[in-house]
Amino acid sequence: GQNIDQPTEMTATEGAIVQINCTYQTSGFNGLFWYQQHAGEAPTFLSYNVLDGLEEKGRFSSFLSRSKGYSYLLLKELQMKDSASYLCAVTDSNYQLIWGAGTKLIIKP
Amino acid sequence: IAGITQAPTSQILAAGRRMTLRCTQDMRHNAMYWYRQDLGLGLRLIHYSNTAGTTGKGEVPDGYSVSRANTDDFPLTLASAVPSQTSVYFCASSDTSGSSYNEQFFGPGTRLTVL
Repeated sequence: GQNIDQPTEMTATEGAIVQINCTYQTSGFNGLFWYQQHAGEAPTFLSYNVLDGLEEKGRFSSFLSRSKGYSYLLLKELQMKDSASYLCAVTDSNYQLIWGAGTKLIIKP
Repeated sequence: IAGITQAPTSQILAAGRRMTLRCTQDMRHNAMYWYRQDLGLGLRLIHYSNTAGTTGKGEVPDGYSVSRANTDDFPLTLASAVPSQTSVYFCASSDTSGSSYNEQFFGPGTRLTVL
């Protein structure tokens, strides 16, 4: 079967750094996405990795290791507006996105 | 219109009633998708369409039907609603189906309650 695992919830302090992990077991791999979803809103695109390594985009970075079936999203200089759910999704062999349940990130002052 | 719109925003529906959720995009994307999102389960694909005139079943298609008569519109119909279909429904589109880079753009969602 296909499976994507993320922690259900994480808490971090404003100004700090947090790492959200994602492990996956899918039928094929054609890339990994991270999306952000604020409560009551639609998911919005954050990052995409298809090759091993780190992709940096401002305060957000995403890492991929295909051999380990592992990715993480790193958020630096946390702001209150970063309080949201972060969704990991993998493109499988049929080019469909398989979604994790999401990690709810709570930022405290 | 800019992006993807969904209607209605929310709806309370009696069990057994028929309901159509509407989705329209103006980005000329070839692929469109319907998801449901339930607490703790993440997004689950109901149906998809890679191009106008074609549709396919996702992970949880039972009780739902779709049509894709043109590029812009992708309605989702519940023929006879049941309480287990209470959920938030998201429509999405992408212009790169069949590609590894399949960034999807989401509509604002429809919150459906079936009593």
